[in-house]
Amino acid sequence: DAGVTQSPTHLIKTRGQQVTLRCSPKSGHDTVSWYQQALGQGPQFIFQYYEEEERQRGNFPDRFSGHQFPNYSSELNVNALLLGDSALYLCASSLWADSYSGNTIYFGEGSWLTVV
Amino acid sequence: GIQVEQSPPDLILQEGANSTLRCNFSDSVNNLQWFHQNPWGQLINLFYIPSGTKQNGRLSATTVATERYSLLYISSSQTTDSGVYFCAVLNTGTASKLTFGTGTRLQVTL
Repeated sequence: DAGVTQSPTHLIKTRGQQVTLRCSPKSGHDTVSWYQQALGQGPQFIFQYYEEEERQRGNFPDRFSGHQFPNYSSELNVNALLLGDSALYLCASSLWADSYSGNTIYFGEGSWLTVV
Repeated sequence: GIQVEQSPPDLILQEGANSTLRCNFSDSVNNLQWFHQNPWGQLINLFYIPSGTKQNGRLSATTVATERYSLLYISSSQTTDSGVYFCAVLNTGTASKLTFGTGTRLQVTL
Protein backbone atom coordinates (compact mmCIF):
# COMPACT_ATOMS: atom_id res chain seq x y z
CA ASP A 1 0.00 0.00 0.00
CA ALA A 2 1.77 3.12 -1.24
CA GLY A 3 1.87 5.99 1.19
CA VAL A 4 1.92 9.67 0.30
CA THR A 5 4.80 10.48 -2.02
CA GLN A 6 6.24 13.91 -2.74
CA SER A 7 8.87 15.24 -5.12
CA PRO A 8 11.37 16.72 -5.20
CA THR A 9 12.79 16.19 -1.74
CA HIS A 10 15.00 19.26 -1.76
CA LEU A 11 15.37 22.18 -4.09
CA ILE A 12 16.97 25.59 -4.21
CA LYS A 13 15.47 28.48 -6.17
CA THR A 14 16.30 32.13 -6.69
CA ARG A 15 14.03 34.99 -5.70
CA GLY A 16 11.49 35.73 -8.42
CA GLN A 17 11.56 32.25 -9.87
CA GLN A 18 8.68 29.80 -9.94
CA VAL A 19 8.53 26.33 -8.41
CA THR A 20 6.31 23.28 -8.83
CA LEU A 21 6.01 20.60 -6.18
CA ARG A 22 4.27 17.29 -6.72
CA CYS A 23 2.28 14.88 -4.56
CA SER A 24 0.67 11.48 -5.02
CA PRO A 25 -1.88 10.62 -2.33
CA LYS A 26 -2.13 7.37 -0.44
CA SER A 27 -3.79 4.60 -2.39
CA GLY A 28 -7.57 4.89 -2.07
CA HIS A 29 -7.53 8.56 -1.06
CA ASP A 30 -9.08 11.24 -3.25
CA THR A 31 -8.30 14.49 -1.42
CA VAL A 32 -5.00 16.32 -1.26
CA SER A 33 -4.13 19.23 1.01
CA TRP A 34 -0.94 21.28 1.09
CA TYR A 35 0.74 22.76 4.14
CA GLN A 36 3.69 25.10 4.60
CA GLN A 37 5.95 24.65 7.60
CA ALA A 38 8.42 27.43 8.33
CA LEU A 39 11.38 26.68 10.55
CA GLY A 40 10.39 26.27 14.19
CA GLN A 41 6.66 26.45 13.52
CA GLY A 42 3.78 24.07 13.01
CA PRO A 43 2.44 23.40 9.52
CA GLN A 44 0.02 25.98 8.11
CA PHE A 45 -2.82 25.00 5.74
CA ILE A 46 -2.43 26.36 2.19
CA PHE A 47 -5.31 24.75 0.27
CA GLN A 48 -7.18 21.54 -0.43
CA TYR A 49 -8.17 19.81 -3.66
CA TYR A 50 -10.94 17.35 -4.37
CA GLU A 51 -12.41 16.40 -7.74
CA GLU A 52 -9.83 18.64 -9.39
CA GLU A 53 -11.19 21.74 -7.68
CA GLU A 54 -9.84 23.89 -4.88
CA ARG A 55 -12.23 23.33 -1.96
CA GLN A 56 -10.67 25.31 0.84
CA ARG A 57 -7.92 27.88 1.03
CA GLY A 58 -5.87 29.19 3.91
CA ASN A 59 -4.42 32.65 4.29
CA PHE A 60 -1.92 32.51 1.43
CA PRO A 61 -1.53 34.92 -1.50
CA ASP A 62 -2.51 34.15 -5.07
CA ARG A 63 1.14 33.42 -5.85
CA PHE A 64 0.33 30.01 -4.41
CA SER A 65 -1.76 27.93 -6.78
CA GLY A 66 -2.45 24.29 -7.29
CA HIS A 67 -3.90 21.63 -9.45
CA GLN A 68 -5.32 18.16 -9.04
CA PHE A 69 -5.25 15.58 -11.80
CA PRO A 70 -7.81 12.85 -12.60
CA ASN A 71 -5.59 10.28 -10.86
CA TYR A 72 -5.87 12.40 -7.66
CA SER A 73 -2.23 13.50 -7.71
CA SER A 74 -1.60 17.19 -7.16
CA GLU A 75 0.83 20.01 -7.83
CA LEU A 76 1.61 23.09 -5.80
CA ASN A 77 2.93 26.06 -7.76
CA VAL A 78 4.51 29.14 -6.23
CA ASN A 79 5.26 32.13 -8.45
CA ALA A 80 7.54 35.12 -7.85
CA LEU A 81 9.35 33.38 -5.02
CA LEU A 82 10.28 35.38 -1.94
CA LEU A 83 12.92 34.59 0.65
CA GLY A 84 10.06 34.03 3.10
CA ASP A 85 8.74 31.16 1.00
CA SER A 86 11.66 29.05 2.21
CA ALA A 87 10.00 26.24 4.12
CA LEU A 88 9.06 22.58 4.22
CA TYR A 89 6.02 21.95 2.04
CA LEU A 90 3.92 19.01 3.14
CA CYS A 91 1.24 17.16 1.24
CA ALA A 92 -1.60 15.53 3.16
CA SER A 93 -3.83 12.77 1.85
CA SER A 94 -7.35 11.93 2.98
CA LEU A 95 -10.73 10.64 1.89
CA TRP A 96 -13.34 13.28 1.09
CA ALA A 97 -16.07 11.11 2.60
CA ASP A 98 -14.29 11.42 5.97
CA SER A 99 -13.85 15.20 5.73
CA TYR A 100 -16.44 16.12 8.33
CA SER A 101 -16.65 12.89 10.29
CA GLY A 102 -12.91 12.72 10.71
CA ASN A 103 -10.36 10.03 10.09
CA THR A 104 -6.60 9.69 9.93
CA ILE A 105 -4.93 12.18 7.61
CA TYR A 106 -1.57 11.05 6.23
CA PHE A 107 1.40 13.22 5.34
CA GLY A 108 4.22 12.79 2.88
CA GLU A 109 7.87 13.35 3.69
CA GLY A 110 7.75 16.89 2.37
CA SER A 111 9.71 19.04 -0.03
CA TRP A 112 12.34 21.34 1.41
CA LEU A 113 12.40 24.61 -0.54
CA THR A 114 15.19 27.12 -0.08
CA VAL A 115 14.89 30.50 -1.77
CA VAL A 116 18.14 32.43 -2.12
CA GLY B 1 -10.39 30.08 14.10
CA ILE B 2 -9.65 27.33 16.54
CA GLN B 3 -6.61 27.79 18.75
CA VAL B 4 -4.31 24.90 19.66
CA GLU B 5 -1.74 25.22 22.41
CA GLN B 6 0.86 22.66 23.39
CA SER B 7 2.95 22.39 26.51
CA PRO B 8 5.71 22.25 27.39
CA PRO B 9 7.43 23.85 24.38
CA ASP B 10 10.70 22.07 25.14
CA LEU B 11 11.50 18.97 27.15
CA ILE B 12 14.78 17.24 27.91
CA LEU B 13 14.66 13.73 29.36
CA GLN B 14 17.13 11.07 30.27
CA GLU B 15 16.64 7.77 28.55
CA GLY B 16 14.17 5.66 30.48
CA ALA B 17 12.18 8.56 31.90
CA ASN B 18 8.45 9.08 31.38
CA SER B 19 6.78 12.23 30.11
CA THR B 20 3.38 13.78 29.45
CA LEU B 21 2.71 16.23 26.65
CA ARG B 22 -0.44 18.33 26.66
CA CYS B 23 -2.61 19.80 23.92
CA ASN B 24 -5.39 22.29 24.64
CA PHE B 25 -7.86 23.39 21.98
CA SER B 26 -10.43 26.15 22.01
CA ASP B 27 -13.42 24.62 20.19
CA SER B 28 -15.13 21.32 19.42
CA VAL B 29 -13.22 18.96 17.15
CA ASN B 30 -14.02 15.84 15.17
CA ASN B 31 -10.43 14.89 14.51
CA LEU B 32 -7.40 15.05 16.72
CA GLN B 33 -4.10 13.53 15.72
CA TRP B 34 -0.72 13.34 17.39
CA PHE B 35 2.31 13.38 15.14
CA HIS B 36 6.03 12.87 15.64
CA GLN B 37 8.15 14.88 13.24
CA ASN B 38 11.52 13.30 12.68
CA PRO B 39 14.69 15.28 11.93
CA TRP B 40 14.11 14.80 8.20
CA GLY B 41 10.73 16.52 8.45
CA GLN B 42 8.36 13.62 8.02
CA LEU B 43 5.20 13.76 10.09
CA ILE B 44 4.57 10.31 11.45
CA ASN B 45 1.08 9.51 12.64
CA LEU B 46 1.04 8.39 16.26
CA PHE B 47 -2.64 8.47 17.11
CA TYR B 48 -5.98 9.42 15.63
CA ILE B 49 -7.84 10.14 18.85
CA PRO B 50 -10.80 12.57 18.80
CA SER B 51 -11.92 11.06 22.11
CA GLY B 52 -11.04 8.30 24.55
CA THR B 53 -7.77 6.52 25.20
CA LYS B 54 -5.47 4.53 22.95
CA GLN B 55 -2.18 2.77 23.50
CA ASN B 56 0.55 1.73 21.12
CA GLY B 57 3.57 0.19 22.78
CA ARG B 58 5.29 2.76 24.99
CA LEU B 59 2.99 5.50 23.80
CA SER B 60 -0.54 6.23 24.86
CA ALA B 61 -2.93 9.12 24.35
CA THR B 62 -6.08 10.36 25.99
CA THR B 63 -8.48 12.99 24.67
CA VAL B 64 -11.19 14.51 26.83
CA ALA B 65 -13.20 16.28 24.16
CA THR B 66 -15.69 17.83 26.58
CA GLU B 67 -12.83 19.56 28.41
CA ARG B 68 -10.94 20.30 25.19
CA TYR B 69 -7.58 18.72 25.88
CA SER B 70 -5.49 15.76 24.91
CA LEU B 71 -2.48 14.15 26.55
CA LEU B 72 0.31 12.11 25.02
CA TYR B 73 2.22 9.82 27.37
CA ILE B 74 5.68 8.54 26.54
CA SER B 75 6.99 5.86 28.87
CA SER B 76 10.55 4.52 29.14
CA SER B 77 11.75 7.11 26.64
CA GLN B 78 14.46 6.24 24.11
CA THR B 79 16.80 8.46 22.12
CA THR B 80 14.78 7.62 19.00
CA ASP B 81 11.81 9.41 20.60
CA SER B 82 13.62 12.72 20.10
CA GLY B 83 12.00 15.17 17.73
CA VAL B 84 9.00 17.46 17.68
CA TYR B 85 5.55 16.28 18.72
CA PHE B 86 2.56 18.03 17.19
CA CYS B 87 -1.05 17.92 18.10
CA ALA B 88 -3.39 18.76 15.20
CA VAL B 89 -7.13 19.20 15.27
CA LEU B 90 -9.89 19.36 12.73
CA ASN B 91 -12.46 21.91 13.87
CA THR B 92 -16.00 20.58 13.49
CA GLY B 93 -17.32 21.75 10.13
CA THR B 94 -14.01 22.68 8.51
CA ALA B 95 -13.54 19.67 6.24
CA SER B 96 -10.07 18.22 6.64
CA LYS B 97 -8.27 21.49 7.39
CA LEU B 98 -5.98 20.54 10.23
CA THR B 99 -4.87 23.22 12.65
CA PHE B 100 -1.56 22.40 14.30
CA GLY B 101 -0.23 23.37 17.67
CA THR B 102 3.21 24.91 18.04
CA GLY B 103 4.72 21.60 19.04
CA THR B 104 6.78 20.16 21.87
CA ARG B 105 10.46 19.64 21.11
CA LEU B 106 11.67 16.55 22.94
CA GLN B 107 15.31 15.63 23.42
CA VAL B 108 16.12 12.29 25.02
CA THR B 109 19.69 11.96 26.25
CA LEU B 110 21.73 8.93 27.28
